[in-house]
Amino acid sequence: DQQVKQNSPSLSVQEGRISILNCDYTNSMFDYFLWYKKYPAEGPTFLISISSIKDKNEDGRFTVFLNKSAKHLSLHIVPSQPGDSAVYFCAASPNYGGSQGNLIFGKGTKLSVKP
Amino acid sequence: DAGVIQSPRHEVTEMGQEVTLRCKPISGHNSLFWYRQTMMRGLELLIYFNNNVPIDDSGMPEDRFSAKMPNASFSTLKIQPSEPRDSAVYFCASSHRVANEKLFFGSGTQLSVL
Repeated sequence: DQQVKQNSPSLSVQEGRISILNCDYTNSMFDYFLWYKKYPAEGPTFLISISSIKDKNEDGRFTVFLNKSAKHLSLHIVPSQPGDSAVYFCAASPNYGGSQGNLIFGKGTKLSVKP
Repeated sequence: DAGVIQSPRHEVTEMGQEVTLRCKPISGHNSLFWYRQTMMRGLELLIYFNNNVPIDDSGMPEDRFSAKMPNASFSTLKIQPSEPRDSAVYFCASSHRVANEKLFFGSGTQLSVL
C-alpha cells in the first residue's frame, strides 16, 4: 500500500507558465516533506522541503504548499523553464529531526516544459 | 567535492551470477543509503548505515541481497544469485547524520539480469 502517492505520472506545460505537481500521503504521522528532481541517467537531487509546522516554503521559482488536513502537498514552479523538464519525486518522513532512513518516496511525476 | 560515486554505471549479467555494486559516499558524511528504483515500486530503501553500522535492512528483499560498509568511504551491495526480477536502477546516497539533512544521490547503477 503506497503511503506517498503521485497520481499524475506525467505533466506537460508551456514555457513561462506555472507547473503544479501534486502529492498525497496517507500516514498522519508524516511531518516532514521533501521534493527531489531527477534528470535521466542521474541520481535524484534535493529541491525543496517543508515541515508540518508550516504550510508554505518558497525558494526562488519553487514553492511547496502543505495542506495537512487534506494530507496533500504540491510543488509550484513559476515560471517554468525547459531546464525544469525532469522527474519530480515527493518524499515524506515521520521523523522530523531524525535520520533520513525512513523517507518514503512517491513514484514520481515526469514534467515536460515545452519551449 | 566529487559527490557520491557509484560503480559500475551499467551491469549486464546472466541469471544466477553474483553481482556487486559499489559506492563511495561524500567524505564526511556518516549515513549511507541503498535504494532501488523500478517502474512498479518507484524508489525503495533497501538498507541504510550510520557510522558504518547497518541500522535498518528491512527493505532488503531477500537473503540473496547483502550489503556491507567496511569503512566510512566504501560500501557494497551484493546480489547472489541474481534473478531477472532484480533488474532495476540501484542508487546509493549519503548524508550527514544531522536532523533533516538532505540526501545526496549517486548516478546509480543500471542492472540488467538476463
